[in-house]
Amino acid sequence: SFELTQPLSVSVALGQTARIACGANNIGYRNVNWYQQNPGQAPVLVIYRDNNRPSEIPERFSGSTSANTATLIINGAQAGDEADYFCQVWDSSTVVFGGGTRLTVL
Amino acid sequence: QVQLVQSGAEVRRPGASVKVSCKASGYTFTEYFLHWVRQAPGQGLEWVGWINPHNGGTNYAQKFQGRVAMTRDTPITIVYMEMTSLRSDDTAIYFCVRSRDRWLIEGPLDTWGQGTLLIVSS
Repeated sequence: SFELTQPLSVSVALGQTARIACGANNIGYRNVNWYQQNPGQAPVLVIYRDNNRPSEIPERFSGSTSANTATLIINGAQAGDEADYFCQVWDSSTVVFGGGTRLTVL
Repeated sequence: QVQLVQSGAEVRRPGASVKVSCKASGYTFTEYFLHWVRQAPGQGLEWVGWINPHNGGTNYAQKFQGRVAMTRDTPITIVYMEMTSLRSDDTAIYFCVRSRDRWLIEGPLDTWGQGTLLIVSS
């Protein structure tokens, strides 16, 4: 089965740029979506189809992809960005999630 | 506004069944696929399957085939997820989620319900 690999945790200094990776073979050929989840809440879509942002999501959130890695980028990370982040793709008509990354803003 | 409101928490014994509901509002119910995603305590997200409210078509993750059934009641815009032969590792929060794009199966998951906690314990 298709697997997405994320680091368990990423730390970033307040105001700096956070990068959260999502790795898989040839992920660059797929559309990657990203979700943010705060404790006790439902996930929220923050990036869809690699680098598109829903209108309600701040401009500091963006996405990029290369051959084998998709990256969620948070410019000027704020304390409120501290959360779990999950990448997601479709594979053989099924939804696949990465294991999730806990972002800590120092 | 688009809203998904789920039924309340459930407690079941191992081997029992549960049926969770998700009431959709704020959009044309039959035009968007609805998914179920679960999250065990302290764990990541796991996709269970989707239902096409237009025709009742379904697709389930292989892990749940034979044990889950998704149905809909179109006049009252509710989808249901029934899971049978429950085990302790089915303990999780179950989310109902709408696809972002009309008529498109393989797209991002947009609006999430508040989640339904299912506890399976003897």
